[in-house]
Amino acid sequence: GAVVSQHPSRVICKSGTSVKIECRSLDFQATTMFWYRQFPKQSLMLMATSNEGSKATYEQGVEKDKFLINHASLTLSTLTVTSAHPEDSSFYICSARPLHRDTEAFFGQGTRLTVV
Amino acid sequence: AQSVTQLGSHVSVSEGALVLLRCNYSSSVPPYLFWYVQYPNQGLQLLLKYTSAATLVKGINGFEAEFKKSETSFHLTKPSAHMSDAAEYFCAVANPFSGNTPLVFGKGTRLSVIA
Repeated sequence: GAVVSQHPSRVICKSGTSVKIECRSLDFQATTMFWYRQFPKQSLMLMATSNEGSKATYEQGVEKDKFLINHASLTLSTLTVTSAHPEDSSFYICSARPLHRDTEAFFGQGTRLTVV
Repeated sequence: AQSVTQLGSHVSVSEGALVLLRCNYSSSVPPYLFWYVQYPNQGLQLLLKYTSAATLVKGINGFEAEFKKSETSFHLTKPSAHMSDAAEYFCAVANPFSGNTPLVFGKGTRLSVIA
């Protein structure tokens, strides 16, 4: 099946710094990718929809200046957590659905962010 | 609008027993439905999907699910649980007519398997 690669899988950063998470579709093109946040023992919460060549669409309550999304190519979307604080610590997962194929979504491995 | 309800946030079964994880959906159009499994600190892996073909869908690891329109259900079953089945399971729905939109997930069911 299709592969979505997410990097890094785990990152620890100091409060106030920024962290970039990459999401790549390895064998298909994705004009749209999705970023989720998952709290412990909870479901995935959609944060934003990343659109290639245009601005991301953020879900209600998600700060677009805090979570910067860039989708510069058909295979790469990045999420940057700016000025991270301990409350931003979470598991972040990206997803993409290949066009012109079955409509399942493929997920990255996830990124465990810990802000200290 | 679409939504998914997973009954039971935690299900515990004995090894070798039947696994039944419940999922009910709401959709204004004929849906596509999915079951995903998540192991700790990992992304989601597709178990199986229903995309308007056969109503009984077989997936990986011995899992299957049946789409029942009259009951708006898509329950996940496995005849005999293995210890390795212990994980978090998510049911999800998609609108097949709205292009590249995200899946809508249920809250998840944590499956524990007792030796």
